[in-house]
Parts: sequence; C-alpha cells; structure tokens
Amino acid sequence: GESVGLHLPTLSVQEGDNSIINCAYSNSASDYFIWYKQESGKGPQFIIDIRSNMDKRQGQRVTVLLNKTVKHLSLQIAATQPGDSAVYFCAENMNTGNQFYFGTGTSLTVIP
Amino acid sequence: AAGVIQSPRHLIKEKRETATLKCYPIPRHDTVYWYQQGPGQDPQFLISFYEKMQSDKGSIPDRFSAQQFSDYHSELNMSSLELGDSALYFCASSLRTGGAFFGQGTRLTVV
Repeated sequence: GESVGLHLPTLSVQEGDNSIINCAYSNSASDYFIWYKQESGKGPQFIIDIRSNMDKRQGQRVTVLLNKTVKHLSLQIAATQPGDSAVYFCAENMNTGNQFYFGTGTSLTVIP
Repeated sequence: AAGVIQSPRHLIKEKRETATLKCYPIPRHDTVYWYQQGPGQDPQFLISFYEKMQSDKGSIPDRFSAQQFSDYHSELNMSSLELGDSALYFCASSLRTGGAFFGQGTRLTVV
C-alpha cells in the first residue's frame, strides 16, 4: 500500500505486505530528515534519518528514500506487521536551525 | 538506554492558572526542544535551547516561557492558562547535529 501524504492521510495494508508512506517537505534548504512513528498517547519515536547528501538509507525492515529535486521523502516498511500500526511523521531540519518541522502525519493501519 | 524524561505525565489545571512542565534530556545531549500537539494534529514547535541558551522560537504564546538550567534540564512555564492550551506537550533532546529523541509527553488538561 502507498500513501500520498496530504491527500491520503490514512493507509491500510494487509499484514505481510510492504507499505510506502510519502512526505512532501517544504524547504529546499532542509538538509536533514527524520521519520517518526507515533502510537496513540505516546511520544514520537525515532525510526530512521537521512541527510541530504544521501538518497537512500536502510534500517531494519525500513528504507527511507530522498528525492531532493522534487522535495519528496518516502518511508518503506517491509513485511508490515500489526505492531507497525501508528501515525508516521516526517520531520525536516536545516543545519542552521534548532528545530524540526513536522509534516502532516499518515495513519497506518495494518489489517491482520 | 536513558531516554528523555518528562514530568508530570498528566496535569489538570483550571483556566487562568499556571503550570510548569519539566524535561530531563538524554545525558550529554546539548539541545532541548519543546513541542505542543493538539488532538489529531502534528507536533508544533514551540522553542529550543542549545547549551542553555534559547536557540529557536516557534509558535510559542507570550504567556509561555521556558528555560534550560545548568544541569541541562528544561522547564516550560505556562501562565494564564486557556482551554485551548489543553494538549500534549513533548520535550525532545539531541546532540547539536543529530536527531531529536522525544519524551513520552505531558498531557495538560485545562478545565
């Protein structure tokens, strides 16, 4: 399953399928990006980050892709599990600033 | 591993009262951030500190103030509370050029 950020803030996928969550970031000067997972009533949990000198970074079951040309970030989750159900946010940061701007979250629901 | 600690976890205040939220960053982190998150909303940046000095300021109301102390813990002071201040308040910490790690938040309810 795949989301398109602002236009599809919810995403439902079958357990075991791959998920793709998209994010369009706003500032071309942003050079550091983080994906966060937030479960209900909890704080955002750091999943994976990527700097602007890279276009791909892989973690455990997750891959982040960065396309600076179109200011687009995506999070791919392999073999999605029920525990992956949460709201996912991308956050951008400029090296000159001490703040992370959060994009609109995407709610991922994994169907067993 | 040590995480960001926030206290209290829950707080109920009446309108026009004051509230103080505390944040203890991850050891050796030099930057602290405060965010406000309303129901179904994205976290909104309020303010950040680097090495105990205010670094960046976001959409923080004038009724709110914050500081970072010599031991790097931070406090968010909120006065003349309004119903609209009811939200989750998160603190995060990072190294200057690293990712921000969030605490579990303080749920503030203004009645």
